[in-house]
Order: sequence, then C-alpha cells, then structure tokens
Amino acid sequence: ETGVTQTPRHLVMGMTNKKSLKCEQHLGHNAMYWYKQSAKKPLELMFVYSLEERVENNSVPSRFSPECPNSSHLFLHLHTLQPEDSALYLCASSQDLATAYEQYFGPGTRLTVT
Amino acid sequence: GQNIDQPTEMTATEGAIVQINCTYQTSGFNGLFWYQQHAGEAPTFLSYNVLDGLEEKGRFSSFLSRSKGYSYLLLKELQMKDSASYLCAVRERGNTGFQKLVFGTGTRLLVSP
Repeated sequence: ETGVTQTPRHLVMGMTNKKSLKCEQHLGHNAMYWYKQSAKKPLELMFVYSLEERVENNSVPSRFSPECPNSSHLFLHLHTLQPEDSALYLCASSQDLATAYEQYFGPGTRLTVT
Repeated sequence: GQNIDQPTEMTATEGAIVQINCTYQTSGFNGLFWYQQHAGEAPTFLSYNVLDGLEEKGRFSSFLSRSKGYSYLLLKELQMKDSASYLCAVRERGNTGFQKLVFGTGTRLLVSP
C-alpha cells in the first residue's frame, strides 16, 4: 500500500464509450502524474499537475483529458479511444515538483479498448 | 532526448547475487533511480543516485558512473520474492522546466529455487 489508490483496477470499453479513471493520494503531496505503461515499452509520462495546475502535457492525444479538482484527486477522462490505447495507466504523486525523484505510484488501471 | 537501455530479462538462483545494468544518454541528467514492480502492482522506489559511487541499502545496492552514463542495481542473497521487473529511470528537465523521470523498459528478473 503506497498511499495512492486508483479506480477502477480493470476497465474494458468500446471505442465509442466515455469513461473516467480516478486517482486519489492520501500522502499530502502537491504534485500528481499520469503515466501509460504498454507491454514491452517504457513508462510514458502523460500529464503532470502541481497544486492543481497542469505543468506538463507530453504530446498526448486529445482523446485523453485530465482533470485535477484538488491536490488529492486526479482524473483521466477517456473518449473515442483506439485499440492501441489499451495499456496500464498509472497514477503517481510526489511531495512537490522539486523533489520529484521519489514518486509514489498507485496500482494502476488495466484498460482494454475493444 | 533520452535513451535508456537495460536487459529485457534475467534469471538467477535463490541465494545468489545478480547485477542489473542500465546505460543512458541524456542532455540534462539530474539523478538516476531504480524502481521495483511486481506483476500487477505499483512500481516502488528502491534507490537514488545523483553522485558517482555506490549506495547500499540492505540487500540492494546501486552504483552510478556519470562519465560513463552507466548504473547498476546489485541484489544480494536473492529471494523468491525478488522476482519482479526492475525499472531504471533518469531524471531530466522537461519541456516546461520541471524535472521529470524518464524510464527504461525494465528488466524482468526471475528467481528460481
């Protein structure tokens, strides 16, 4: 248990569906991250939020839309996804951006797009 | 840009020692990290090196040579529970100035009895 929770743990959705992934951290951290982990590929940074403001958007397609309503919660809204978007989506948090080396990861959401 | 290389898979025997290597190329190096990830679980932080040399933490040690762009993770007295993926990650400055982690593909370690 790392103090970062993600729901759902597994999600299967069609290409026309709209769904949302949720992340919550109970560590009092100010920075939160979304990563994508595909088979045999490195973890890819998608979005970074610091104090609820987005500070990095790593050239992610617009069918992925992040939302950070407060420093404890992070969402990833999904719509019109493609089969190649099937992957493990990991959320992480760190105390702040200056100490980004120690990121705490959630268990991830395994997404399958059919 | 960033290029991080580590072996895809390694096998070892319980009680043995294994060394997992990582080489990197970066224009803005500011630290190297190792994470452990068991199948279906979150990556967990193992070690951090920013200066050259060896950092020891129990059965795990991590080494860094900045001039060679090289690091290794050393696992001693291997246990079955050490079977996992080991991710090498380099911290570099991102597009907007903040420092982000760039990960390698990970090394899957299989420990056998």
